[in-house]
Amino acid sequence: DVKVTQSSRYLVKRTGEKVFLECVQDMDHENMFWYRQDPGLGLRLIYFSYDVKMKEKGDIPEGYSVSREKKERFSLILESASTNQTSMYLCASQSPGGLGEQYFGPGTRLTVT
Amino acid sequence: GQQVMQIPQYQHVQEGEDFTTYCNSSTTLSNIQWYKQRPGGHPVFLIQLVKSGEVKKQKRLTFQFGEAKKNSSLHITATQTTDVGTYFCAGRRSNTGKLIFGQGTTLQVKP
Repeated sequence: DVKVTQSSRYLVKRTGEKVFLECVQDMDHENMFWYRQDPGLGLRLIYFSYDVKMKEKGDIPEGYSVSREKKERFSLILESASTNQTSMYLCASQSPGGLGEQYFGPGTRLTVT
Repeated sequence: GQQVMQIPQYQHVQEGEDFTTYCNSSTTLSNIQWYKQRPGGHPVFLIQLVKSGEVKKQKRLTFQFGEAKKNSSLHITATQTTDVGTYFCAGRRSNTGKLIFGQGTTLQVKP
């Protein structure tokens, strides 16, 4: 079974802090994604990566950056956390080939105070 | 803005009643996927539809992909309490390969 892990289930940070969210997958997938989930808005794509050191902006990249130094690890960085970044953050890894189903991590609920 | 619309946002049913959620895209999709997220959990892949007019079944769940490949539906027959959760559709546009998620439909089932 594919396993996607995220560094924290719950995180509380102060406004202006730099925040790192880590995601690791164990299936050697090339494609990885970061989403945020908010009530009534579904899952919105922040950034994704097709390979090591490759990254592309999703639909809501403002205020975020990412890092993919190793294939199994995809990090989301909030350079200066703000209260409107309080959300559930979900990382996903995508299987190759035509199916392309996504496997999600357990999520990190981030609260910025 | 949101390019995959999903309705309804919430649905409360009595156990044993049927349930349907609908998904509509503003553009033609190469395929559509459905995910289920249990309360407190993360989205889990259910199925993918690729062909125009395709219908797939998983026990009490029936998934359809429209002829124009712009809409899809998930129908649950005779709901059970284990069906509780949020159901998301996610469309993939062929020119980008990215998945665009709908807002989700949260199903509550009263025993």
